Amino acid sequence: NAGVTQTPKFRVLKTGQSMTLLCAQDMNHEYMYWYRQDPGMGLRLIHYSVGEGTTAKGEVPDGYNVSRLKKQNFLLGLESAAPSQTSVYFCASSPTLPTGELFFGEGSRLTVL
Amino acid sequence: GDSVTQMEGPVTLSEEAFLTINCTYTATGYPSLFWYVQYPGEGLQLLLKATKADDKGSNKGFEATYRKETTSFHLEKGSVQVSDSAVYFCALRGGNQFYFGTGTSLTVIP
Repeated sequence: NAGVTQTPKFRVLKTGQSMTLLCAQDMNHEYMYWYRQDPGMGLRLIHYSVGEGTTAKGEVPDGYNVSRLKKQNFLLGLESAAPSQTSVYFCASSPTLPTGELFFGEGSRLTVL
Repeated sequence: GDSVTQMEGPVTLSEEAFLTINCTYTATGYPSLFWYVQYPGEGLQLLLKATKADDKGSNKGFEATYRKETTSFHLEKGSVQVSDSAVYFCALRGGNQFYFGTGTSLTVIP
């Protein structure tokens, strides 16, 4: 039972490089989310999607782009990485049911030098 | 807008002590409420949830009751173990959005 899978788990980038984080879920959930977690800051929503082909900005979207070309996948891109984007990134998905919970991936630790 | 406020940490307890982590919320409508736990180096896992007023969620000895009159969802456990050491997050769901507290770090010492 895979649930939510994130790749890669760890990545080190140099300032200005680009990369894509992949999130895949096998629960047929409509809603998917990308969060970042920083010490003392809790979880902050970057972007989210309420269905295939749709995306929306969250609390901290600057410097990130996303795509939801397939229902099961939600990609997070960094076009030009900055040290401020050093963080742990979590993908999550949820059903549309109003009482449904979020299911999280294990996280991707990104370091930008 | 919707929001969650939870007790600041860190919290350090001795094994078998009683645990309370306070959580209050602000929301329009009738949100669902959740407690998540994050063990070191891992993602967040659902600990328990409650979906309507007066519901009690429970799991692994933890409990929380959805109190609409006080807009609270406090987490309790009667006797903590070393293995309960983790960060605990209170959250609410409003529509397609989830709102999290900042997390409370719990360390249980033998």
